[in-house]
Amino acid sequence: KAGVTQTPRYLIKTRGQQVTLSCSPISGHRSVSWYQQTPGQGLQFLFEYFSETQRNKGNFPGRFSGRQFSNSRSEMNVSTLELGDSALYLCASSLFRDETQYFGPGTRLLVL
Amino acid sequence: LAKTTQPISMDSYEGQEVNITCSHNNIATNDYITWYQQFPSQGPRFIIQGYKTKVTNEVASLFIPADRKSSTLSLPRVSLSDTAVYYCLVGPQAAGNKLTFGGGTRVLVKP
Repeated sequence: KAGVTQTPRYLIKTRGQQVTLSCSPISGHRSVSWYQQTPGQGLQFLFEYFSETQRNKGNFPGRFSGRQFSNSRSEMNVSTLELGDSALYLCASSLFRDETQYFGPGTRLLVL
Repeated sequence: LAKTTQPISMDSYEGQEVNITCSHNNIATNDYITWYQQFPSQGPRFIIQGYKTKVTNEVASLFIPADRKSSTLSLPRVSLSDTAVYYCLVGPQAAGNKLTFGGGTRVLVKP
């Protein structure tokens, strides 16, 4: 069974731009969560989607948003990029909520 | 969610057993203990999860004493490829998929 896939794997943007990252969960998984990882803050929870609805949200500004489609694929969007948004963005999926999460390889975003 | 404390780093040699202890004094009755492994520039990989006593799978063992205030991840006969960061997480299974990661333990396996 294929794992979680994330596209693109690497991305370079400039301040003020916006970016959209994509995540395809493991086939059959319905829950998708997003995390941000930086050297300074470590791994931090962004939000969780299940059945196309945001179920949980971390402590991030409104510039960070996401959505989930009927096929469970998810996208996250960051608007008005700041230098501090440079990070590895990780997507994780699970069969249902509250079950073991499996992570994708991540998208490394560099904001210049 | 219960706070966890684990060593920042550990060194080991190929073929040795590595034991990483995680302290979680404020663990709640419905909390589970989960360990993830992460290689540089990759997503964390689920290793093992337990509630009490001992859990073993093909990769590792997890030892949890009766008071559940700590747990020990045991990696048997490590190889160079086990060099990674290991995270201990404590929380209810009904955490809404909101995993809280601490700083992790950086394990370096030397030849």
